[in-house]
Amino acid sequence: GIQVEQSPPDLILQEGANSTLRCNFSDSVNNLQWFHQNPWGQLINLFYIPSGTKQNGRLSATTVATERYSLLYISSSQTTDSGVYFCAVERQEYGNKLVFGAGTILRVKS
Amino acid sequence: DAGVTQSPTHLIKTRGQQVTLRCSPKSGHDTVSWYQQALGQGPQFIFQYYEEEERQRGNFPDRFSGHQFPNYSSELNVNALLLGDSALYLCASSRWTGDYSYEQYFGPGTRLTVT
Repeated sequence: GIQVEQSPPDLILQEGANSTLRCNFSDSVNNLQWFHQNPWGQLINLFYIPSGTKQNGRLSATTVATERYSLLYISSSQTTDSGVYFCAVERQEYGNKLVFGAGTILRVKS
Repeated sequence: DAGVTQSPTHLIKTRGQQVTLRCSPKSGHDTVSWYQQALGQGPQFIFQYYEEEERQRGNFPDRFSGHQFPNYSSELNVNALLLGDSALYLCASSRWTGDYSYEQYFGPGTRLTVT
């Protein structure tokens, strides 16, 4: 099946700093999503981005499908950005399911 | 527009018992998927339902079964519970394109503890 690797596994930032999270995947995909999991376990949709670039406030994401990676940018980080960030992909030939990476744990300190 | 809802929020069961978890999809969605998330790991796909049938299944034993109703809501049943079944169970809904799913949206999850 498809493999998804996220880096870094852990990240500690001072409030106001910028960060880049990376997601590498082993095959072409039909669907790629970024999620933020809050302390209560809720997975919050950040981006649906199988290719291209999108921006939403302080967050933006870029997927380079031909090179099989995606980047999530967080600018001017806030303590509320803390949590786990997951990248998940779907490829039709491997079944219609999201395959998740192991996540990046982000801690933003005030 | 209500998002994906799940019930119950928390559940404590004893080893060997059976449990049923419930999910209502986001309005306009016809596909429901279930995921298991163990502590410190990413969610793992259990199975997916579309048109009241199981379309795809992950690497989970037959103790895990499900159902989808005509209104697209779904249930996850786990029989003969093991301690290792303790996890956060997440339901996701999406709209099927004919080839693959559009964006999936997750419910708040049910936290199952098996003692």
